[in-house]
Amino acid sequence: GAVVSQHPSRVICKSGTSVKIECRSLDFQATTMFWYRQFPKQSLMLMATSNEGSKATYEQGVEKDKFLINHASLTLSTLTVTSAHPEDSSFYICSASRFGTSGEGQYFGPGTRLLVL
Amino acid sequence: RKEVEQDPGPFNVPEGATVAFNCTYSNSASQSFFWYRQDCRKEPKLLMSVYSSGNEDGRFTAQLNRASQYISLLIRDSKLSDSATYLCVVKEGGGNKLTFGTGTQLKVEL
Repeated sequence: GAVVSQHPSRVICKSGTSVKIECRSLDFQATTMFWYRQFPKQSLMLMATSNEGSKATYEQGVEKDKFLINHASLTLSTLTVTSAHPEDSSFYICSASRFGTSGEGQYFGPGTRLLVL
Repeated sequence: RKEVEQDPGPFNVPEGATVAFNCTYSNSASQSFFWYRQDCRKEPKLLMSVYSSGNEDGRFTAQLNRASQYISLLIRDSKLSDSATYLCVVKEGGGNKLTFGTGTQLKVEL
């Protein structure tokens, strides 16, 4: 089956540093990737939609200058949390969509747990 | 009002019990519906799609009522391994954006 990987799985950093999270589709080309954030006991919230070769589309309330997204190839999207603060501590999950498929074709990565001290 | 609403639970049931989860969605333009399962500190995984005519997959049955904008999931003969959070997920037509409910936590006990 389709596999999506994320790296790192966990990161602890000091306030003010930037953190880059990678999302890779391992056995298919993903024209679209999605970045979600999940706080404890809350639902997954879509942060942005990343399309290969074009600018990401951010959801309302998500700062595009703080959460930089780059989708440089059909198998890799990166999310950079710039100048991270403790309130950015969360579970970040990406998903990748195969071209032409419906929701069944959206595959989730294992997530990255970010803790900002 | 949240776009997708679920009873957060937890539902504590004995092994072998039948349990039902409900979900309502606010966007009448929604076209596709799913149930995902999320284990603690893990990513969500697709459990099943939900079709208008209702559909069954082993011990799991999903129903959709478009008029009431209501989705349900029934789990029969629950197992300890069914313990997880069940997420109701809705997709608008024409795109790939998924909207997640907050999830309903299920705990199956001996």
